[in-house]
Amino acid sequence: SQQGEEDPQALSIQEGENATMNCSYKTSINNLQWYRQNSGRGLVHLILIRSNEREKHSGRLRVTLDTSKKSSSLLITASRAADTASYFCATVPIQGAQKLVFGQGTRLTINP
Amino acid sequence: DGGITQSPKYLFRKEGQNVTLSCEQNLNHDAMYWYRQDPGQGLRLIYYSQIVNDFQKGDIAEGYSVSREKKESFPLTVTSAQKNPTAFYLCASSIRGVGEKLFFGSGTQLSVL
Repeated sequence: SQQGEEDPQALSIQEGENATMNCSYKTSINNLQWYRQNSGRGLVHLILIRSNEREKHSGRLRVTLDTSKKSSSLLITASRAADTASYFCATVPIQGAQKLVFGQGTRLTINP
Repeated sequence: DGGITQSPKYLFRKEGQNVTLSCEQNLNHDAMYWYRQDPGQGLRLIYYSQIVNDFQKGDIAEGYSVSREKKESFPLTVTSAQKNPTAFYLCASSIRGVGEKLFFGSGTQLSVL
């Protein structure tokens, strides 16, 4: 079963604008991770945020985590054409099998 | 260069045939994983291994088999029992175990002739 659900499923913005993607999950987690996938390629790890953290930054990326709402957001600032990709959140539930569970992803298109 | 190498990039299977997808890593990672990705979907875990000579089933293990005879290698066999094998297969590794960040290979696209 899918633990994380991304919203929106697809997002199209102009280069230079900010892009925000959201992820909701169902059960308590150890950590939440965001990955990027270019078409036909493997996934690339972006950020890992632990359940006791609320915000994390990496370059133009900002991730927030709200464990009370069981949600996370990924913000990409000053978007570039090269940011065009699918973005996935993945969670590690505290209960049950300790394995990374991926959502279905957000397809982000940056228009030049 | 350190990384994960998957081969082949494209693979075609005839009905009733078993095929094997290769995954090799030189990152000295203990844990390795196989995921299946269908078009427009997220990843589903097939099998994972946290140590040599040991592996566990994921969510969709039926019709697949794996081996972990060497730390560097985690081949996946898609057997004839897998009736809908067309998908993009991704191999990944992590330093120790589940819950850590994953390093992915570039994937193998499997299609049925």
